[in-house]
Amino acid sequence: SQQGEEDPQALSIQEGENATMNCSYKTSINNLQWYRQNSGRGLVHLILIRSNEREKHSGRLRVTLDTSKKSSSLLITASRAADTASYFCATAANTGTASKLTFGTGTRLQVTL
Amino acid sequence: SAVISQKPSRDICQRGTSLTIQCQVDSQVTMMFWYRQQPGQSLTLIATANQGSEATYESGFVIDKFPISRPNLTFSTLTVSNMSPEDSSIYLCSVGRGVFQETQYFGPGTRLLVL
Repeated sequence: SQQGEEDPQALSIQEGENATMNCSYKTSINNLQWYRQNSGRGLVHLILIRSNEREKHSGRLRVTLDTSKKSSSLLITASRAADTASYFCATAANTGTASKLTFGTGTRLQVTL
Repeated sequence: SAVISQKPSRDICQRGTSLTIQCQVDSQVTMMFWYRQQPGQSLTLIATANQGSEATYESGFVIDKFPISRPNLTFSTLTVSNMSPEDSSIYLCSVGRGVFQETQYFGPGTRLLVL
């Protein structure tokens, strides 16, 4: 399996704190994406970072990518209770006609008041 | 973005039966993807469905078990055949956006329990 690994598997923080999740993958990639899933429902795309980028920001989200280490991190700043969800990284190898996504194992984030 | 709906949202089925899951998109798309998410696990791609051609299945998934239809550019179905309790999962469809279908938008999923 080419599935990536994420750590931690679970993270519990208080509202207002920052949350950092890490993702490692195994093969060369075209881009890496982060998705959020609330309570076993559909996934929501958060951010995409390309293989030639090192850092990207979107609102309270900051993503880094280190292709030499085959790793990425997602930082959520000033967390809110509504950020409680599972977060998955996904890598795209770009087959030329479609970017099939390979998902990581996920991090369950719990933000408490 | 894309608005994607799935039917049914959930079902409880007896082993040995089959269930067809529908995925409807609010705009025309070239590729649709079907994923399985087993309880507490991550997503695994089952197959990629192109309109007008046979679906492409990933390793470990076969057409006899998971037949897929793609009759037009806004609709697809996935059938889970001859179900066993191991098929209990959430099944999600998604569509890609961008030049290489990079960003994917997901349907709400179909939660299947096989008894």
